[in-house]
Amino acid sequence: DQQVKQNSPSLSVQEGRISILNCDYTNSMFDYFLWYKKYPAEGPTFLISISSIKDKNEDGRFTVFLNKSAKHLSLHIVPSQPGDSAVYFCAASATGTASKLTFGTGTRLQVTL
Amino acid sequence: NAGVTQTPKFRILKIGQSMTLQCTQDMNHNYMYWYRQDPGMGLKLIYYSVGAGITDKGEVPNGYNVSRSTTEDFPLRLELAAPSQTSVYFCASSLGQIQPQHFGDGTRLSIL
Repeated sequence: DQQVKQNSPSLSVQEGRISILNCDYTNSMFDYFLWYKKYPAEGPTFLISISSIKDKNEDGRFTVFLNKSAKHLSLHIVPSQPGDSAVYFCAASATGTASKLTFGTGTRLQVTL
Repeated sequence: NAGVTQTPKFRILKIGQSMTLQCTQDMNHNYMYWYRQDPGMGLKLIYYSVGAGITDKGEVPNGYNVSRSTTEDFPLRLELAAPSQTSVYFCASSLGQIQPQHFGDGTRLSIL
């Protein structure tokens, strides 16, 4: 039973345009959500997070939106840059579970020139 | 600032052999985790620890063991390696609840 789903395995976006990566979850106990970026042969790198008391969090070019009623979150990257090309993982945890993360399967973003 | 360091980076084992994957962090984080990532899949939690002397199972603990004798180190032991344990293993640490986890660069393990 996959509790965190990223239904788009890949996404291609032109440099300078907006990249939108989506994530859905089924466990209503999840209240902390994170996005990680991963390059080949490296570990995941933390990008941005959001707690369930918010519906938006921004950090520079990265914004995460959370729709609790739809159990959906999205990561917006504006403007997209070639260095953003990587695999992006959505992850979620629930309070009281030692911050154990449940990951989605990832979306490969390619930013083209 | 090293962060989370994993050794070795690559290893090939024969079926039935055993080995220990090492993980150490220099951020004084209480929480540490071991994940595995199979091709095309997300990371799955094997074991975790909330402090020295305290460990607990994650989603996929079978075939693995852990120990946490110090805050810095969290080794993962594979006993009787099986082909199904071929994967990339990631260690992570965090300061505590509602804090992001920081990952090492992984150990790529093949069981033949």
